[in-house]
Amino acid sequence: DAKTTQPNSMESNEEEPVHLPCNHSTISGTDYIHWYRQLPSQGPEYVIHGLTSNVNNRMASLAIAEDRKSSTLILHRATLRDAAVYYCILNRDDKIIFGKGTRLHILP
Amino acid sequence: EPEVTQTPSHQVTQMGQEVILRCVPISNHLYFYWYRQILGQKVEFLVSFYNNEISEKSEIFDDQFSVERPDGSNFTLKIRSTKLEDSAMYFCASRALVGLNQPQHFGDGTRLSIL
Repeated sequence: DAKTTQPNSMESNEEEPVHLPCNHSTISGTDYIHWYRQLPSQGPEYVIHGLTSNVNNRMASLAIAEDRKSSTLILHRATLRDAAVYYCILNRDDKIIFGKGTRLHILP
Repeated sequence: EPEVTQTPSHQVTQMGQEVILRCVPISNHLYFYWYRQILGQKVEFLVSFYNNEISEKSEIFDDQFSVERPDGSNFTLKIRSTKLEDSAMYFCASRALVGLNQPQHFGDGTRLSIL
């Protein structure tokens, strides 16, 4: 299974941008980079995904390194509701393997 | 926005009993999944289902587990004879047909407690 590495936890102040890093040095050419998050007592929620180019949607932006061995999820203006575990996943053959993710704490 | 719904939200069952967890995927989705999350642990893949058959299953998904799409809308997970270690949150997910890398959409889960 394709492996990703994320920090165990991060903190950010409310209303400030958050950059969540992910390393995936063993990524293959056809692996898409997916980000999900899991709010307390809820199921995982899709955030964003990309292959090579940077991506933006209403929830976040995804910056992908040129060599694709790392990526960064950017929350432009964190709110308390963004406190969650964020998972960086390489989607290979339609298979999502969840790691431990990064627990994001938002400070009011 | 369409969503995946799961019932019940909490199921309490005696060890050895059969349990059926129910899911209604998003209506135009054709790929379906079950995952579980034991308290404090990672979300684990159980099974994927497409075109009325299992596409892939994990080691966790042994003979005690089965899945079914009994009608056009429901997708169920059955555990035949529950064990204490089956206590977990069970999440259903679905995704659209088009494109291998379409995201999966998850329900909010069923908390299964085995006594």
